[in-house]
Amino acid sequence: KQEVTQIPAALSVPEGENLVLNCSFTDSAIYNLQWFRQDPGKGLTSLLLIQSSQREQTSGRLNASLDKSSGRSTLYIAASQPGDSATYLCAVRGGGANSKLTFGKGITLSVRP
Amino acid sequence: GAVVSQHPSWVICKSGTSVKIECRSLDFQATTMFWYRQFPKQSLMLMATSNEGSKATYEQGVEKDKFLINHASLTLSTLTVTSAHPEDSSFYICSAMKAGGPISYNEQFFGPGTRLTVL
Repeated sequence: KQEVTQIPAALSVPEGENLVLNCSFTDSAIYNLQWFRQDPGKGLTSLLLIQSSQREQTSGRLNASLDKSSGRSTLYIAASQPGDSATYLCAVRGGGANSKLTFGKGITLSVRP
Repeated sequence: GAVVSQHPSWVICKSGTSVKIECRSLDFQATTMFWYRQFPKQSLMLMATSNEGSKATYEQGVEKDKFLINHASLTLSTLTVTSAHPEDSSFYICSAMKAGGPISYNEQFFGPGTRLTVL
C-alpha cells in the first residue's frame, strides 16, 4: 500500500527566503506525482505535475523534482512571499487498473512579512 | 483552463435529512470523477471513483448506500449523503479528470469543496 509522507507538518519562514518542501513515498512504481496548494477552507489548486519519466518541472518561482528510485520529491519555492502561505500537498498516482492519487497530509507554510 | 465547480459551497442540515452535492467540469469533459473527504488537518481520503454512465467504485469502508454517486453526463457528478448524521460533517471535494489519453497521464483538477455540517 502506497504511503506518502510530508515532514515537517508546518513551516514558518521570513519573506524572501528560498525554501524546500519534502515529500517521500514508499512504492516507487508510480506514474506521476502532483504538488497541490490548498488555502484554508478551499479546494486544491494543481501546481506541478511530474510524469514518472521526468526529473523536474518548473512553473514561475516553483520547481519540483522527482527521484523515483529513492521515493522522493521536493518542491522548491524561490523568493517566498506572504501570498505563498498555504498548505502544500504532495500526491502520487499508482498504475494499472487501480490508478488513484495517494495524498500526503501536507505542509502548512507560513511566510512572515 | 480546467475549472471544476461544486455546489453548494457549504450546507447545514438536520440529522436524518439527505444532502446532494453537485460537481461540474465547466470547460472540459470528464469521463472520470472522484469524490474525496477531508477532515481538519488531515489528508484527502478517496471515497469513490465514478465513470460516466456506469456505477461508482467505492473505497473500502465507504458505505455505497449512504453516499450515493451519480455520474450522468461527462460534465456532472453528484454525491448524495443520505440520512446524514453529525459524524458525516466534513469537507467534501470532487475532482475531475480530462477525457482522453491514458488515465495515468491525465491530470486531476479539483473543485473548491463543500463544507457539510450536520446538526
